[in-house]
Amino acid sequence: DTEVTQTPKHLVMGMTNKKSLKCEQHMGHRAMYWYKQKAKKPPELMFVYSYEKLSINESVPSRFSPECPNSSLLNLHLHALQPEDSALYLCASSQWGGRSEQYFGPGTRLTVT
Amino acid sequence: EDQVTQSPEALRLQEGESSSLNCSYTVSGLRGLFWYRQDPGKGPEFLFTLYSAGEEKEKERLKATLTKKESFLHITAPKPEDSATYLCAVQAIIQGAQKLVFGQGTRLTINP
Repeated sequence: DTEVTQTPKHLVMGMTNKKSLKCEQHMGHRAMYWYKQKAKKPPELMFVYSYEKLSINESVPSRFSPECPNSSLLNLHLHALQPEDSALYLCASSQWGGRSEQYFGPGTRLTVT
Repeated sequence: EDQVTQSPEALRLQEGESSSLNCSYTVSGLRGLFWYRQDPGKGPEFLFTLYSAGEEKEKERLKATLTKKESFLHITAPKPEDSATYLCAVQAIIQGAQKLVFGQGTRLTINP
């Protein structure tokens, strides 16, 4: 099974709201990723977690706050977003180390009003 | 700096018309080249990993090949359901962590 699940599928939030995106995998992967994807563009890396520790933060604004509560779960907490943050947010996971492929979830379509 | 360039940006084919998508890369030590398929509004679906020049992998109507400078995704006798964006990526190691460097993708449309 190579499934990564994400909830919710769609999210509409105002600029003053606080919301969270959730991601889960049960493949035993120890690396998990958050990506942002705008229309007709490739995924853009935001954060990398390895063994539940933050490894890479690609200079993402602090209104995005990642959290990795355990090896299967990854959250992205959202606060005071801007309309330009509207995008498809993708979670992925992979084995750590070596040359291993990343498996992506279906994404959360976020609209900021 | 690792870079990936895909061509063409968009490709329209008739059903059954075979063709190839190109992915050229510059990377300091290839650790893996990956092909993904992405349907609109969905997450990328993993297709292939290639590690060394000369390697080939096949899946149904798709065949991926790798040289020292580029990779090709050959599609044979495509069907309308093969319509999607195909993404190529190379793996980089930055700050000890694995990072995928993506190309801009090729939007493939197969007309019935």
